[in-house]
Amino acid sequence: GNSVTQMEGPVTLSEEAFLTINCTYTATGYPSLFWYVQYPGEGLQLLLKATKADDKGSNKGFEATYRKETTSFHLEKGSVQVSDSAVYFCALSDAGGGADGLTFGKGTHLIIQP
Amino acid sequence: ETGVTQSPTHLIKTRGQQVTLRCSSQSGHNTVSWYQQALGQGPQFIFQYYREEENGRGNFPPRFSGLQFPNYSSELNVNALELDDSALYLCASSFKAGTSYEQYFGPGTRLTVT
Repeated sequence: GNSVTQMEGPVTLSEEAFLTINCTYTATGYPSLFWYVQYPGEGLQLLLKATKADDKGSNKGFEATYRKETTSFHLEKGSVQVSDSAVYFCALSDAGGGADGLTFGKGTHLIIQP
Repeated sequence: ETGVTQSPTHLIKTRGQQVTLRCSSQSGHNTVSWYQQALGQGPQFIFQYYREEENGRGNFPPRFSGLQFPNYSSELNVNALELDDSALYLCASSFKAGTSYEQYFGPGTRLTVT
């Protein structure tokens, strides 16, 4: 079946540091890949997506590249801000798995200190 | 443009009872998906409705059932509640069914089973 593995948190960084959150996946077909962000007390918001190999998704200074050869979709940002503190979820959507639902990782709690 | 809304915000039920959660999809969206998010975990796909029919289902027992109405709003029903059903229930809508269509999430309903 489909699965997503992402690095355990919490990840604590200082403001302006470089961020990487690792994400690897297992899928039966050719999935689309997503990063969602969840701020305290809120629902999930789509941060970025990539629908085929070598695509790069980017938004708000975050970016991630769909690497089929390593089955990875790592999230990066060059200079984080306190406002980036949230929980980040890597997810995939693979109709070849029999449903169109998203498969999520467990989430990575990011804490940015001023 | 109205986003995805869910009701109620919070709910407390007793083991063995039944519960109905409601979701209004974003304007123009005909597909609704439901997810269960346990504390500290990523959301898990329950099922998806497309044009009033179940379009896919995750690994949840039959006591989890749903409906989608002609206006594309949706209900999630859970019978014979168990303590492990305590979670945040998220509804997401999308323009169409399909792996590359973005899912827009509501704020969720927090269900507590005692």
